[in-house]
Amino acid sequence: DAMVIQNPRYQVTQFGKPVTLSCSQTLNHNVMYWYQQKSSQAPKLLFHYYDKDFNNEADTPDNFQSRRPNTSFCFLDIRSPGLGDAAMYLCATSIAANEQFFGPGTRLTVL
Amino acid sequence: KQEVTQIPAALSVPEGENLVLNCSFTDSAIYNLQWFRQDPGKGLTSLLLIQSSQREQTSGRLNASLDKSSGRSTLYIAASQPGDSATYLCAVSHDSKLTFGKGITLSVRP
Repeated sequence: DAMVIQNPRYQVTQFGKPVTLSCSQTLNHNVMYWYQQKSSQAPKLLFHYYDKDFNNEADTPDNFQSRRPNTSFCFLDIRSPGLGDAAMYLCATSIAANEQFFGPGTRLTVL
Repeated sequence: KQEVTQIPAALSVPEGENLVLNCSFTDSAIYNLQWFRQDPGKGLTSLLLIQSSQREQTSGRLNASLDKSSGRSTLYIAASQPGDSATYLCAVSHDSKLTFGKGITLSVRP
């Protein structure tokens, strides 16, 4: 089945230790998104790739970066995780501005 | 700046009841609106998508309506079941971006 896959599902890191989250898709969608969702909060868009064009949200901290080496894969890098970065990170894909499809998420814990 | 509101934050109903979940948004210049379901600790499952030119969409026991001019959408769930217990989020799309509400946590009691 075509889908959005996120690895790992659970990630534990130490304060200040860089971490990379992975997202892949078999839907061949041209847009990929990263959202951050804290407990009982709405998902918040961090950035998205429209094809190869990177679009950063104005309030996304510089601590967060992303890479999209090809159509299928997108990575979220957190350079120096703080306690406030503990959250669920959700990857989504779409064709242009159409329906978005989400992966299962990665739960990040910062010790 | 677009704001999406879902009230109440939580709802508990007995099994079999028909129910309506509400969503309101401040900027009517949207491309589409999506309703999602989220189970605890899980990702988002898309339930229904309504294009801005549409008034409603149906899938099984679910029916979503959209009134763009008043900035409102509703998700109607018919004959609710315990398996419907989850958080339901609405999100509006503009410029390829989704703005979400915080969701309504639904509990259906057997």
